[in-house]
This record gives sequence, C-alpha cells and structure tokens, in this order.
Amino acid sequence: QKEVEQNSGPLSVPEGAIASLNCTYSDRGSQSFFWYRQYSGKSPELIMSIYSNGDKEDGRFTAQLNKASQYVSLLIRDSQPSDSATYLCAVNLGGGADGLTFGKGTHLIIQP
Amino acid sequence: GAVVSQHPSRVICKSGTSVKIECRSLDFQATTMFWYRQFPKQSLMLMATSNEGSKATYEQGVEKDKFLINHASLTLSTLTVTSAHPEDSSFYICSAMTGGTYEQYFGPGTRLTVT
Repeated sequence: QKEVEQNSGPLSVPEGAIASLNCTYSDRGSQSFFWYRQYSGKSPELIMSIYSNGDKEDGRFTAQLNKASQYVSLLIRDSQPSDSATYLCAVNLGGGADGLTFGKGTHLIIQP
Repeated sequence: GAVVSQHPSRVICKSGTSVKIECRSLDFQATTMFWYRQFPKQSLMLMATSNEGSKATYEQGVEKDKFLINHASLTLSTLTVTSAHPEDSSFYICSAMTGGTYEQYFGPGTRLTVT
C-alpha cells in the first residue's frame, strides 16, 4: 500500500515568517515528488516538482528531498496571507507517466 | 502554458442518469491524462489513467463499466459516470501530463451532485 503522510494541521504562521511543510512516503521506489496548493473548493495548483536529493528553489518556495529518509518538505519564505491554503504532497512511484498518490494535505494559515 | 479546462464545472443530475465530463489540454498535447475524485475533507484519489488511443487503466476498486473513459485525441479525454447514484456525488478533477517533466496540471474540476 503506497502511503503519503502529512500533518493535517492547521499550521499557523505569522505573516513574513517561514512556513515549513513536511511529508513522508512509504514506497522507497518513488521517483518524482510534487507540491500542490489547493484553495477551498478549487482544484490543485502545481507549485514545485523535485526529482533528486537536495534543495530546489523557485522564488519564495524551496523544496527539499531526502530519499534515504523518505522525506520531502516545502519551505515558504516571507509568508503572505494569500499563501493560506491546503498544501498537498504528491508522489509518483515510477517516475514516468503514472498517476499521483496524494497525502491528505496540510492546512496552512498565515496570520496577518 | 499548461492550461487544462474541464466542462461542466458543476452538474446536478437525478439518480440513474448518466453524466459526461470533458477534460481538455488547451495549449499542449497530452498523451496521458488522469482522472481523480475528491470527497469532502479528503485528498485526491486516482481513479484511472487515460492514454490517447488505448483503453484506460483503472485503479483497484473503481468500476470500469460505471466510469467510462475515452481519450480520443491528444487534447481531449472524457469521463462518463453511468447510472449515477448519490454516493457518486463528488469533485471530479482531471489532469494532463506534459512531456519530459511528468508534471501534472489539473483542470478546475467538476462538482457532481446526484439527487
């Protein structure tokens, strides 16, 4: 059974601070990892993809992957109220044209 | 780029009827599209993988005769919910995969309510 685990939150972070979101996955063979943002009632929006160990930065977002620990994280710097949403961690087992296994998401609240 | 549309955005139907949902990739060709379902306060669950020109691959527990998928072109996949029942009420979301990166971009979703 492939599993992706996230703390459901809510995670409350003051505006301007760094928000840290974490995710673990069960299948050691997983190859591709994604972070999506989902606002209430809307569909997921891709934020970051990461495929190899280490950090990947894109603007205010940094994804971190540690395959040995089966752990992936997302850092949001200079958090804004508009960042308040549910963040979904998604894993692709094969690294190819496969469907994604999603975690249940972390509800992030940025306090003005 | 990587825009995916879905139609309709919202549909209400009576129990026993069928509903068709369209998913289109607007600015790229997608050899592979996916259909997910999301129940309230739950995460997305993969229903099936749709490949252009071939039969869809369904996840365990998803009835292929109930959820008919057709991927007739590189930009269009359709999901038909046949003989819908109230328990089929959910948020159905498609995604399309771009070549090379394996990133999936999601459509806006279709909220189905079966009365």
